[in-house]
Amino acid sequence: QLLQSGGQVVTPGGSLTLSCEGSGSSFSQAWMSWVRQTPGKGLEWVGHIRPATNGGTTDYATPFRGRFSISRDDSKNTLYLQMESLRPEDTAVYFCTTEDNFWFDPWGQGTQVTVSS
Amino acid sequence: VLTQSPGTLSLSPGDRATLSCRSSQSLSTNYLAWYQQRPGQAPTLVIFGAFSRAIGVPARFRGSGSGTNFTLTISRLEPEDFAVYYCLQYDPSPMYTFGQGTKLE
Repeated sequence: QLLQSGGQVVTPGGSLTLSCEGSGSSFSQAWMSWVRQTPGKGLEWVGHIRPATNGGTTDYATPFRGRFSISRDDSKNTLYLQMESLRPEDTAVYFCTTEDNFWFDPWGQGTQVTVSS
Repeated sequence: VLTQSPGTLSLSPGDRATLSCRSSQSLSTNYLAWYQQRPGQAPTLVIFGAFSRAIGVPARFRGSGSGTNFTLTISRLEPEDFAVYYCLQYDPSPMYTFGQGTKLE
């Protein structure tokens, strides 16, 4: 199971870090992704982070490179999404999810981020 | 690009639902999944690898297709099946892309 936290209202230009805590000993071996959902663009894959055994490296979808950063702390079974220079169009529900081969399962419950002055 | 059709499908319990997902490029069947999303909830996996039902998914859900055309069929709709359905493709860029969804009402 994945339990998310950190969503809130942020002013444009601000920063925010979302958290996603996993349960169980398998978290450290999991490929983890972030996906966001907006009314206008639907579901968008943000990026993922590999487990340490695969280098712990990250990949991002093109629209999210530079402003978004994914990290993990396996000692806390926690995944993070750090977002910078937030814009109103970043307003969305953000989900964390586990990659299982070429699909996502399970998902966190989602957390709402609103960028507004 | 993944294109789902129709955008909205209006049916009744007991009906058969056929949802389409078309890719702009040919996919391995390994790279296609389907999700169900109810209001206010996270998506849940229904079909993975184009054909395989996720754990706990009833047999009335069936995935099919190949190449650029994939289909999710729900043989006899139950009230809990009315939701939004999304297809997902993996493209080893690496990148994941979702379809825009079909609302089953």
